[in-house]
Amino acid sequence: DTGVSQDPRHKITKRGQNVTFRCDPISEHNRLYWYRQTLGQGPEFLTYFQNEAQLEKSRLLSDRFSAERPKGSFSTLEIQRTEQGDSAMYLCASSPIQGVRYEQYFGPGTRLTVT
Amino acid sequence: AQKVTQAQTEISVVEKEDVTLDCVYETRDTTYYLFWYKQPPSGELVFLIRRNSFDEQNEISGRYSWNFQKSTSSFNFTITASQVVDSAVYFCALSEVNYGGSQGNLIFGKGTKLSVKP
Repeated sequence: DTGVSQDPRHKITKRGQNVTFRCDPISEHNRLYWYRQTLGQGPEFLTYFQNEAQLEKSRLLSDRFSAERPKGSFSTLEIQRTEQGDSAMYLCASSPIQGVRYEQYFGPGTRLTVT
Repeated sequence: AQKVTQAQTEISVVEKEDVTLDCVYETRDTTYYLFWYKQPPSGELVFLIRRNSFDEQNEISGRYSWNFQKSTSSFNFTITASQVVDSAVYFCALSEVNYGGSQGNLIFGKGTKLSVKP
């Protein structure tokens, strides 16, 4: 399957712990996005990469959040000192840079529960 | 400011009924894209359609059809002869080209939960 994959699918952690999520985009897609979705809401944009460059970060992305895409392929999203308010579904999406570059294809998400 | 409003929080229909999901958007941009995504209980967002702001033609794909009206800033989605498998949360989204930069960030509505009963 050549879709977007995310790992892990579920993560339960205690408040104050650090967590890291991974996203593998569709192989030919240059753009990679992270979104956060809380219960009953639509996804909200967090950050965006074009190849390995992080080009935008939402104000939702506090200093405790950091994202990387070191070789322009997979990306990681790390949350340090997790808080209960970080509990959400973290979605990754990718899109091509040419042609239908505004079509984003989403992965299955990582559901984070902070206890 | 850019915003997407899906006023219907939940809709319940009986199989084979037609159902329309409403979407109203606000944007400062003259060039933008509108999208519909489906999120089944499994959680993965499934892309359904993309429409650019210069193309107001309605589109039909099987049982799905979309009505884009720039005059009312609406992009409504109709499912004809609904089926149980259509049960999901449906999201409308907006991407601005000029004000949103070239990155194409999606601005989502809160979604409409559709339940189709047999």
